[in-house]
Amino acid sequence: NAGVTQTPKFQVLKTGQSMTLQCAQDMNHEYMSWYRQDPGMGLRLIHYSVGAGITDQGEVPNGYNVSRSTTEDFPLRLLSAAPSQTSVYFCASRTANTGELFFGEGSRLTVL
Amino acid sequence: GENVEQHPSTLSVQEGDSAVIKCTYSDSASNYFPWYKQELGKRPQLIIDIRSNVGEKKDQRIAVTLNKTAKHFSLHITETQPEDSAVYFCAARGGGGSNYKLTFGKGTLLTVNP
Repeated sequence: NAGVTQTPKFQVLKTGQSMTLQCAQDMNHEYMSWYRQDPGMGLRLIHYSVGAGITDQGEVPNGYNVSRSTTEDFPLRLLSAAPSQTSVYFCASRTANTGELFFGEGSRLTVL
Repeated sequence: GENVEQHPSTLSVQEGDSAVIKCTYSDSASNYFPWYKQELGKRPQLIIDIRSNVGEKKDQRIAVTLNKTAKHFSLHITETQPEDSAVYFCAARGGGGSNYKLTFGKGTLLTVNP
């Protein structure tokens, strides 16, 4: 199993550009989520999904969209990037019945 | 929503000493409390977790304690080694409608000096 796979690992955007961070898991996990990590701020939940077709907002959802058309994939879309979205983004998944979150390797995004 | 406070933000110990990191949470319905370790440039990984029906859990040199009444939980690392140097995050998962949301503390940078 590859686990949780995120792409790209690094990305530089200009303000106003759009992009999608891809996340895929091959563990048949029902639950998937996106976190952003900023220095001194810990990991903050952006959006999460409890199954295909079901998504909900986390702590910091503004400026981000998600969809969950399949169990495996959970892309995160930035429609109009802003410098405040410069961060490291982690996708994570788990089964419905266990606690452990499995994280991807992270995607470092810089918005100029 | 849930709020998790973590202290200290940095901790420096000598190899072989013990390290203690403390967290408090706000939602009395929270029922699951994991700890994650993140080495520099790596992804967070679960090192130990505890559920609300248990007061203490140990795994070799690592232990976690939970005080539901006071709404705080702690990570204890004994006989620290240089490879324990990392950022440690506590987290809490709420009950009821918040059962899917895991809220993290801001992290503790632990440095173990040889």
